[in-house]
Amino acid sequence: SQKIEQNSEALNIQEGKTATLTCNYTNYSPAYLQWYRQDPGRGPVFLLLIRENEKEKRKERLKVTFDTTLKQSLFHITASQPADSATYLCALDIDSSASKIIFGSGTRLSIRP
Amino acid sequence: DVKVTQSSRYLVKRTGEKVFLECVQDMDHENMFWYRQDPGLGLRLIYFSYDVKMKEKGDIPEGYSVSREKKERFSLILESASTNQTSMYLCASNSGANVLTFGAGSRLTVL
Repeated sequence: SQKIEQNSEALNIQEGKTATLTCNYTNYSPAYLQWYRQDPGRGPVFLLLIRENEKEKRKERLKVTFDTTLKQSLFHITASQPADSATYLCALDIDSSASKIIFGSGTRLSIRP
Repeated sequence: DVKVTQSSRYLVKRTGEKVFLECVQDMDHENMFWYRQDPGLGLRLIYFSYDVKMKEKGDIPEGYSVSREKKERFSLILESASTNQTSMYLCASNSGANVLTFGAGSRLTVL
């Protein structure tokens, strides 16, 4: 069955450093992969989408890479700030119509001042 | 501001009760989704719908059913609630191959 793994349940880093989160998947070739941010008690909020034919996408301090050979996406937050502390989820479509979207279990990121 | 609205933020029900979770979106999206979220397990897809009256099972449909009579509304039904259905339920919608917009979530406790 399709599986998405996010490398660690929790990640603690020092403010100002770059946070790197990993998302690995198996058994499928998604047309795109998405990253979401979730704060406690709230629904996830979309951050970035990267398509299978794109290697890298950037938005302000965020960068996402997508390696379809390795079946892996990396999510980077540069110059991290305490306000970046949240759970980050990766998601991908697993059917040809791109309607069925499944999520990894998330990485809880904590940025310490 | 576009929205996905879940009718109840917090519910407490008893084992065996029938539970309705309602979700409404105002974006004219074709697709709507119900997920449940549990610590350490992330979001798991229960059901999704790609059109009115159409539905597809997700990864964990057992114990749940859904209804989509109108495009903007997608209901999740627990026919006979059980304690293992205590969870956070998240509704989302999108149009085609596009990003999901989520509601704020409904935290259900089954006693």
